[in-house]
Amino acid sequence: DTVLTQSPALAVSPGERVTISCRASESVSTRMHWYQQKPGQQPKLLIYGASNLESGVPARFSGSGSGTDFTLTIDPVEANDTATYFCQQSWNDPNTFGAGTKLELK
Amino acid sequence: QVQLKESGPGLVQPSETLSLTCTVSGFSLTSYSVSWVRQPSGKGPEWMGRMWYDGDTAYNSALKSRLSISRDTSKNQVFLKMNSLQTDDTGTYYCTRYYDGTYLHWGQGVMVTVSS
Repeated sequence: DTVLTQSPALAVSPGERVTISCRASESVSTRMHWYQQKPGQQPKLLIYGASNLESGVPARFSGSGSGTDFTLTIDPVEANDTATYFCQQSWNDPNTFGAGTKLELK
Repeated sequence: QVQLKESGPGLVQPSETLSLTCTVSGFSLTSYSVSWVRQPSGKGPEWMGRMWYDGDTAYNSALKSRLSISRDTSKNQVFLKMNSLQTDDTGTYYCTRYYDGTYLHWGQGVMVTVSS
């Protein structure tokens, strides 16, 4: 299975720019997607196809990458962006998710 | 609008079978596929399996020997059955609509605890 590796946690101040990384154990082309999950809620799709913003998601969120290295950027970070962010790939079977990066605001 | 809702027992005894139902509205099961995804507390989600829109099924190989997914299109329901449950099967179980590799619509999830 394709393993997706994410840093466990990040802490930033409101108004700053943050990049969250996801590295795949093998190429996933651009079939990488990003989700936001707040405590007690289901995941919410933010970015699909590595760089496409899901409808209704603020333009502060953006994604980039291809192959094995991907990045989710939030610029500027707002207080309600406190959440865990997961990457998910759909190029290789089975679909797999990363373990998540917990974003905290200073 | 698109909605999915999971239902089923919150507590299952070790070695017993988990049965969950996903009731959907706002779309047809013959047009969209539905996946089951589970998430242990504090960990990343795990794809379990999928009911394709054409009635075919796909399973995570790690769970395939224990897992069965079926549907009743007349009732707009997708079913999950997983046997031989152990404590590491504890977590939140979601049904989610699958489209072009992504999971846009999710149920609220059902918390399942495996414990005697």
